[in-house]
Order: sequence, then C-alpha cells, then structure tokens
Amino acid sequence: DAKTTQPPSMDCAEGRAANLPCNHSTISGNEYVYWYRQIHSQGPQYIIHGLKNNETNEMASLIITEDRKSSTLILPHATLRDTAVYYCIVELSNFGNEKLTFGTGTRLTIIP
Amino acid sequence: EAGVTQFPSHSVIEKGQTVTLRCDPISGHDNLYWYRRVMGKEIKFLLHFVKESKQDESGMPNNRFLAERTGGTYSTLKVQPAELEDSGVYFCASSQGQGFPGELFFGEGSRLTVL
Repeated sequence: DAKTTQPPSMDCAEGRAANLPCNHSTISGNEYVYWYRQIHSQGPQYIIHGLKNNETNEMASLIITEDRKSSTLILPHATLRDTAVYYCIVELSNFGNEKLTFGTGTRLTIIP
Repeated sequence: EAGVTQFPSHSVIEKGQTVTLRCDPISGHDNLYWYRRVMGKEIKFLLHFVKESKQDESGMPNNRFLAERTGGTYSTLKVQPAELEDSGVYFCASSQGQGFPGELFFGEGSRLTVL
C-alpha cells in the first residue's frame, strides 16, 4: 500500500507556480521521496527525488519539511502540458531495486 | 537515445487466448521492471529483472503470467490463458540502477483488452 496521502485533484492557472502537497508521516530515516507524473495515457515520467534536503532540477523543486513528514512539489511556471496525474512515492532506495508503490496521486489541471 | 519501447501498443484478444507483450529497455540498463494498471486501479509492480535474472517477482498475480528476459536485453510478458480481469495497461520500465536511485524510465505501455 502507498505510504503517502495526496489531494485527489488541484487546479492551477497557466504561468503560475503549482504547489502539490504530499503527506508521508510514517516515513523512515532511509526512505526517499520520489515524484512521478503520468500525462494522459503515457507512461509515468520521473520528476525528482530527495532524502532530506530540498532539491531542484530543470523540471521542478522538491521541498521536504525538517521532520520529513511532508513535502511539496513545485512546478515554477506551469504550462498546459503539465496537466497530469502526479504521484508522490516513498520508498527505500536499494540502488537497483526501485520497487515503486504508486498511490492514487493528484490530478493537476492547468487552466488557460 | 531511444527510450523504452513496448510492443504492441494495443492488443485485443478473447478470453482463453494467449498474448505476449514485449519490452525493449534503454540500451545499457541492467534493470527492467513490469508494472500494470487494471481498470480503475492503481499502477502495480509485477516484477523486476536484473540482467537476465528475476530479482523480485512478488507482484505477479498468478501462474498464468510468465516473464522472461533472455540474454539480459529485451523482455517478454506472456499471459496464458488470458482472463477478463487481465485487461489493463502493462508498463515496462528500465533503470541504470546503481548510483541513480529511483529514476525509472517508463515505456508508453501496452494496452491489453480481453473480451
């Protein structure tokens, strides 16, 4: 079963920052937070991951609270192509055995 | 660089028939995974190969499903005989593994419809 809780849906205006929350109150010290998304009927797409520190890449930023019980994925300037289901996943990193457990995710809709 | 490719993109078969899905991972990726989403459900892990060896097949639903990865390159997932509840989208993913935690590259999926 998924170890995370996400809102089922969110809307965001095009060009604004989309902030997607995720609760993972039972996360253990060696578990990572991963974010994936699925655009329409395509395969899931990796976005970003982190352990303790905030992370940023060309797609998004990941903010993890100090107690690690929650995190926020930030898409800084949302576009229509960012409309997708976003999955927050907590898993051990076994450096080769990434058995990801997908939950129901958040359906993000970008409004023109 | 080519991504993960899956074939066929869509297959329609009748209950009791056999279907074989194929996955070609990204070149050089030792890790290969199969996942599936059945109607209305979440994406679920099926199994994981490291090269040609099955590392974890705890998600395989029953013995009607057989996965192989001959030579550690492409993989096939055979469903024999297919049942109605097998309908869904089967995703393949690959990863480099060591040093790159959590970054799985998924294919577009193979949609299976069992009538």
